[in-house]
Amino acid sequence: GESVGLHLPTLSVQEGDNSIINCAYSNSASDYFIWYKQESGKGPQFIIDIRSNMDKRQGQRVTVLLNKTVKHLSLQIAATQPGDSAVYFCAERKAGTALIFGKGTTLSVSS
Amino acid sequence: NAGVTQTPKFQVLKTGQSMTLQCAQDMNHEYMSWYRQDPGMGLRLIHYSVGAGITDQGEVPNGYNVSRSTTEDFPLRLLSAAPSQTSVYFCASSSGGRGSPLHFGNGTRLTVT
Repeated sequence: GESVGLHLPTLSVQEGDNSIINCAYSNSASDYFIWYKQESGKGPQFIIDIRSNMDKRQGQRVTVLLNKTVKHLSLQIAATQPGDSAVYFCAERKAGTALIFGKGTTLSVSS
Repeated sequence: NAGVTQTPKFQVLKTGQSMTLQCAQDMNHEYMSWYRQDPGMGLRLIHYSVGAGITDQGEVPNGYNVSRSTTEDFPLRLLSAAPSQTSVYFCASSSGGRGSPLHFGNGTRLTVT
């Protein structure tokens, strides 16, 4: 079936490094993608989104890249900080439907 | 501005008991939804509502009921709890419909024994 997934369940980086979290999707009709961050004991928080007519979008210290040819989405975090430690989810939307969430990648940042 | 508020934060039920998970938002969002989060499964949509008086089923609706009598409130009811309903439940809302960025509450952790 169609689903949103993540390549790796965990990612460990050193403080100050750049982090790249990947997400593969299989629904070619999806037109909108979102990255969420979930800290322990809290609900997911919106980080950044991108529409299918874009390849790249930048926020504060974060960049989302979309490669529709290989159905791949990535979240890049620059100069990763301990406060970035969390579970990161990608979500996709096919027009007119609800968001479908991936299973999440746990990012651990060590000092 | 409180955003999305969920109560209780924790709940333990025995099999067969009923309970209502409360969700309230103060952002005047038309769209509200309930998700459950299980290890290794991500977030799965239970029920959603596009406005007061309108509800619909999501991906995993069995065993749950919802109603939407006001814009602010969207309670989730478990009529006869089962161990398979042990999970963390999140309520979320948005201003732009079910495909728009969601604002999440902090969840209710439910254990059914």
